[in-house]
Amino acid sequence: AQSVTQLGSHVSVSEGALVLLRCNYSSSVPPYLFWYVQYPNQGLQLLLKYTTGATLVKGINGFEAEFKKSETSFHLTKPSAHMSDAAEYFCAVSGALFNKFYFGSGTKLNVKP
Amino acid sequence: NAGVTQTPKFQVLKTGQSMTLQCAQDMNHNSMYWYRQDPGMGLRLIYYSASEGTTDKGEVPNGYNVSRLNKREFSLRLESAAPSQTSVYFCASRVGPEAFFGQGTRLTVV
Repeated sequence: AQSVTQLGSHVSVSEGALVLLRCNYSSSVPPYLFWYVQYPNQGLQLLLKYTTGATLVKGINGFEAEFKKSETSFHLTKPSAHMSDAAEYFCAVSGALFNKFYFGSGTKLNVKP
Repeated sequence: NAGVTQTPKFQVLKTGQSMTLQCAQDMNHNSMYWYRQDPGMGLRLIYYSASEGTTDKGEVPNGYNVSRLNKREFSLRLESAAPSQTSVYFCASRVGPEAFFGQGTRLTVV
């Protein structure tokens, strides 16, 4: 079975500050992990994914995430927040067959000027 | 390149009415999905189709039916709509590990 837990339904940071969005997963098989972003009234857009190889994954818009198997975590970070980063972010997990994606409950990021 | 297209974008139904949500993808993907999104609950899988001619239940299939009409199209049907089905519905298709999402259908059942 697979599941995802996102800590913090709302996160607020100042423009220029570090962004840290937390994601922990459980999986009975080697996981494939994803971060998606959703802007208001839009669909989901892939930010980054981990499948195999390097555990530090870089995505679009300056975001990155590190797969830590020992901590079952895949936290999303960005060194310096921009106003345009305000959106809802979803962590997701899938097994090797990719038949199903399981999503976390989402974290809304607010960026203050 | 349209990607994943959902119709309609908005819909209001009365309790007990039926309707079909349409989804089409032009990327020649085998796998397609229907999710519903509710505040604080993320996206929950309703049904998915691993290939043309096959469908499987997800986490929350009750009250819904699906049809994989061909490789491009995957429709979601509500036979008798209930207020609990008020939600935003997303269709997605997948190639390898990456899923592509439509813009969503905002459904309100009154």
